[in-house]
Amino acid sequence: DQQVKQNSPSLSVQEGRISILNCDYTNSMFDYFLWYKKYPAEGPTFLISISSIKDKNEDGRFTVFLNKSAKHLSLHIVPSQPGDSAVYFCAASGLGNNNDMRFGAGTRLTVKP
Amino acid sequence: GAVVSQHPSRVICKSGTSVKIECRSLDFQATTMFWYRQFPKQSLMLMATSNEGSKATYEQGVEKDKFLINHASLTLSTLTVTSAHPEDSSFYICSARDPWTGGREQFFGPGTRLTVL
Repeated sequence: DQQVKQNSPSLSVQEGRISILNCDYTNSMFDYFLWYKKYPAEGPTFLISISSIKDKNEDGRFTVFLNKSAKHLSLHIVPSQPGDSAVYFCAASGLGNNNDMRFGAGTRLTVKP
Repeated sequence: GAVVSQHPSRVICKSGTSVKIECRSLDFQATTMFWYRQFPKQSLMLMATSNEGSKATYEQGVEKDKFLINHASLTLSTLTVTSAHPEDSSFYICSARDPWTGGREQFFGPGTRLTVL
Protein backbone atom coordinates (compact mmCIF):
# COMPACT_ATOMS: atom_id res chain seq x y z
CA ASP A 1 0.00 0.00 0.00
CA GLN A 2 1.84 3.03 -1.27
CA GLN A 3 0.76 5.91 0.89
CA VAL A 4 3.03 8.47 -0.71
CA LYS A 5 3.21 8.72 -4.47
CA GLN A 6 5.46 10.55 -6.84
CA ASN A 7 4.01 9.86 -10.24
CA SER A 8 6.77 11.43 -12.29
CA PRO A 9 9.90 9.28 -12.28
CA SER A 10 11.90 11.97 -14.02
CA LEU A 11 11.91 15.66 -14.84
CA SER A 12 14.23 17.68 -17.04
CA VAL A 13 14.46 21.47 -16.94
CA GLN A 14 16.74 24.14 -18.29
CA GLU A 15 19.11 25.97 -15.97
CA GLY A 16 17.50 29.12 -14.59
CA ARG A 17 13.95 27.87 -15.04
CA ILE A 18 11.59 26.59 -12.38
CA SER A 19 11.50 22.93 -11.36
CA ILE A 20 8.23 21.66 -9.94
CA LEU A 21 8.17 18.25 -8.29
CA ASN A 22 4.85 16.80 -7.23
CA CYS A 23 3.78 14.40 -4.53
CA ASP A 24 0.43 12.92 -3.47
CA TYR A 25 -0.49 11.09 -0.31
CA THR A 26 -3.44 9.03 0.81
CA ASN A 27 -3.18 8.82 4.59
CA SER A 28 -5.07 11.63 6.29
CA MET A 29 -3.09 10.97 9.48
CA PHE A 30 0.04 12.45 7.95
CA ASP A 31 0.70 15.87 9.42
CA TYR A 32 4.31 16.56 8.50
CA PHE A 33 5.87 16.46 5.07
CA LEU A 34 9.46 16.56 3.97
CA TRP A 35 11.55 16.67 0.84
CA TYR A 36 14.89 14.93 0.61
CA LYS A 37 17.56 15.08 -2.06
CA LYS A 38 19.61 12.02 -2.84
CA TYR A 39 22.70 11.35 -4.90
CA PRO A 40 23.60 7.80 -5.99
CA ALA A 41 25.20 5.64 -3.29
CA GLU A 42 24.58 8.29 -0.64
CA GLY A 43 22.00 8.77 2.06
CA PRO A 44 19.19 11.30 1.54
CA THR A 45 19.81 14.89 2.59
CA PHE A 46 17.02 16.85 4.19
CA LEU A 47 15.91 19.85 2.13
CA ILE A 48 12.74 21.38 3.46
CA SER A 49 9.64 20.44 5.39
CA ILE A 50 6.14 21.68 6.08
CA SER A 51 3.65 21.10 8.82
CA SER A 52 0.02 20.47 8.00
CA ILE A 53 -0.95 23.71 9.73
CA LYS A 54 0.78 25.63 6.93
CA ASP A 55 0.27 25.75 3.20
CA LYS A 56 3.64 27.15 2.22
CA ASN A 57 7.20 27.10 3.47
CA GLU A 58 10.07 28.84 1.77
CA ASP A 59 13.82 28.45 2.18
CA GLY A 60 15.95 30.25 -0.35
CA ARG A 61 15.39 28.77 -3.78
CA PHE A 62 13.18 26.02 -2.38
CA THR A 63 9.48 26.39 -1.64
CA VAL A 64 7.11 23.64 -0.59
CA PHE A 65 3.37 24.02 -1.08
CA LEU A 66 0.78 21.89 0.68
CA ASN A 67 -2.82 21.42 -0.41
CA LYS A 68 -4.42 19.37 2.33
CA SER A 69 -7.81 19.06 0.70
CA ALA A 70 -6.20 17.55 -2.38
CA LYS A 71 -3.62 15.62 -0.33
CA HIS A 72 -0.97 17.06 -2.57
CA LEU A 73 2.32 18.82 -2.07
CA SER A 74 4.89 20.20 -4.42
CA LEU A 75 8.46 21.39 -4.31
CA HIS A 76 9.42 24.40 -6.36
CA ILE A 77 13.05 25.14 -7.13
CA VAL A 78 13.75 28.49 -8.71
CA PRO A 79 16.04 29.23 -10.34
CA SER A 80 17.15 25.67 -11.05
CA GLN A 81 20.87 24.99 -11.14
CA PRO A 82 22.83 22.04 -12.59
CA GLY A 83 23.89 21.13 -9.06
CA ASP A 84 20.25 20.48 -8.24
CA SER A 85 20.34 17.41 -10.44
CA ALA A 86 19.54 14.47 -8.14
CA VAL A 87 16.69 12.24 -7.07
CA TYR A 88 14.13 14.00 -4.91
CA PHE A 89 12.06 12.03 -2.43
CA CYS A 90 8.86 13.22 -0.87
CA ALA A 91 8.20 11.87 2.63
CA ALA A 92 5.32 12.07 5.06
CA SER A 93 4.93 11.29 8.71
CA GLY A 94 2.18 11.38 11.28
CA LEU A 95 2.05 11.19 15.02
CA GLY A 96 -0.56 8.53 14.61
CA ASN A 97 2.01 6.47 12.74
CA ASN A 98 4.58 6.63 15.53
CA ASN A 99 6.18 9.40 13.54
CA ASP A 100 7.43 6.89 10.98
CA MET A 101 8.23 8.37 7.60
CA ARG A 102 6.88 6.99 4.36
CA PHE A 103 8.65 7.81 1.16
CA GLY A 104 7.52 8.29 -2.38
CA ALA A 105 9.32 6.53 -5.21
CA GLY A 106 11.38 9.57 -6.05
CA THR A 107 11.71 11.88 -9.04
CA ARG A 108 14.99 12.21 -10.88
CA LEU A 109 15.59 15.86 -11.68
CA THR A 110 18.03 16.81 -14.41
CA VAL A 111 18.91 20.47 -14.80
CA LYS A 112 20.55 21.14 -18.13
CA PRO A 113 23.11 23.95 -18.45
CA GLY B 1 21.95 19.28 10.64
CA ALA B 2 22.80 16.32 12.82
CA VAL B 3 25.38 13.83 11.59
CA VAL B 4 24.76 10.12 11.23
CA SER B 5 27.47 7.71 10.17
CA GLN B 6 27.31 4.15 8.90
CA HIS B 7 29.93 1.46 8.73
CA PRO B 8 30.88 -0.23 6.51
CA SER B 9 30.00 1.76 3.41
CA ARG B 10 30.31 -1.30 1.23
CA VAL B 11 30.46 -5.01 1.94
CA ILE B 12 30.66 -8.08 -0.24
CA CYS B 13 30.04 -11.44 1.36
CA LYS B 14 29.38 -15.03 0.48
CA SER B 15 25.93 -16.52 0.66
CA GLY B 16 25.15 -17.91 4.10
CA THR B 17 27.33 -15.52 6.08
CA SER B 18 26.12 -12.82 8.45
CA VAL B 19 26.85 -9.15 8.02
CA LYS B 20 26.66 -6.44 10.67
CA ILE B 21 26.04 -2.80 9.79
CA GLU B 22 26.57 -0.05 12.35
CA CYS B 23 24.70 3.23 12.54
CA ARG B 24 25.96 5.98 14.81
CA SER B 25 24.65 9.41 15.69
CA LEU B 26 27.80 11.49 16.03
CA ASP B 27 26.73 14.72 17.67
CA PHE B 28 23.46 13.87 19.33
CA GLN B 29 21.74 11.11 21.23
CA ALA B 30 19.04 9.25 19.40
CA THR B 31 16.48 7.26 21.31
CA THR B 32 15.02 6.10 18.02
CA MET B 33 16.77 5.09 14.83
CA PHE B 34 15.26 3.77 11.63
CA TRP B 35 16.49 1.22 9.14
CA TYR B 36 15.61 1.41 5.45
CA ARG B 37 16.55 -0.52 2.37
CA GLN B 38 16.51 0.69 -1.18
CA PHE B 39 16.46 -1.43 -4.30
CA PRO B 40 17.78 0.09 -7.54
CA LYS B 41 15.56 2.86 -8.86
CA GLN B 42 13.03 2.30 -6.10
CA SER B 43 11.98 4.15 -3.01
CA LEU B 44 13.32 3.79 0.50
CA MET B 45 11.39 1.10 2.32
CA LEU B 46 11.20 1.30 6.09
CA MET B 47 12.32 -2.02 7.57
CA ALA B 48 12.19 -1.37 11.27
CA THR B 49 12.24 1.21 14.00
CA SER B 50 15.03 0.73 16.51
CA ASN B 51 14.36 1.87 20.07
CA GLU B 52 17.16 2.24 22.58
CA GLY B 53 16.83 -0.29 25.37
CA SER B 54 13.89 -2.15 23.90
CA LYS B 55 12.95 -4.41 21.04
CA ALA B 56 12.79 -3.08 17.54
CA THR B 57 9.48 -2.67 15.77
CA TYR B 58 9.47 -4.37 12.38
CA GLU B 59 7.39 -3.47 9.37
CA GLN B 60 5.06 -6.02 7.91
CA GLY B 61 6.87 -8.51 5.74
CA VAL B 62 10.30 -7.93 7.30
CA GLU B 63 11.69 -11.04 9.01
CA LYS B 64 12.90 -10.08 12.45
CA ASP B 65 14.96 -13.27 12.77
CA LYS B 66 16.78 -12.46 9.57
CA PHE B 67 17.34 -8.77 10.19
CA LEU B 68 18.49 -8.51 13.79
CA ILE B 69 18.48 -5.02 15.24
CA ASN B 70 20.22 -3.99 18.42
CA HIS B 71 20.08 -0.48 19.86
CA ALA B 72 22.34 -0.83 22.86
CA SER B 73 23.17 2.81 23.39
CA LEU B 74 21.81 6.25 22.56
CA THR B 75 24.31 6.66 19.76
CA LEU B 76 24.56 3.22 18.21
CA SER B 77 22.18 0.87 16.44
CA THR B 78 23.26 -2.23 14.55
CA LEU B 79 21.56 -4.22 11.84
CA THR B 80 22.74 -7.79 11.33
CA VAL B 81 21.70 -9.58 8.17
CA THR B 82 21.85 -13.23 9.16
CA SER B 83 22.53 -16.01 6.67
CA ALA B 84 22.59 -13.53 3.84
CA HIS B 85 21.46 -14.57 0.36
CA PRO B 86 21.78 -12.84 -3.01
CA GLU B 87 18.25 -11.46 -2.73
CA ASP B 88 19.37 -9.54 0.36
CA SER B 89 21.73 -7.51 -1.80
CA SER B 90 20.58 -3.93 -1.45
CA PHE B 91 21.43 -0.47 -0.20
CA TYR B 92 20.75 -0.23 3.53
CA ILE B 93 20.34 3.20 5.09
CA CYS B 94 19.80 4.20 8.68
CA SER B 95 18.41 7.43 10.03
CA ALA B 96 17.91 9.09 13.36
CA ARG B 97 15.97 11.96 14.77
CA ASP B 98 17.51 14.47 17.16
CA PRO B 99 14.95 14.70 19.96
CA TRP B 100 16.49 17.83 21.44
CA THR B 101 15.76 19.99 18.43
CA GLY B 102 12.10 19.14 18.60
CA GLY B 103 12.16 18.68 14.86
CA ARG B 104 10.66 15.75 13.04
CA GLU B 105 13.32 15.55 10.37
CA GLN B 106 15.25 12.34 10.15
CA PHE B 107 18.94 12.59 9.39
CA PHE B 108 20.31 9.82 7.26
CA GLY B 109 23.56 7.98 7.22
CA PRO B 110 25.49 7.58 3.97
CA GLY B 111 24.20 4.05 3.46
CA THR B 112 25.77 0.61 3.14
CA ARG B 113 25.89 -1.27 -0.13
CA LEU B 114 25.56 -5.00 0.55
CA THR B 115 26.38 -7.47 -2.18
CA VAL B 116 25.84 -11.15 -1.47
CA LEU B 117 27.54 -13.50 -3.89
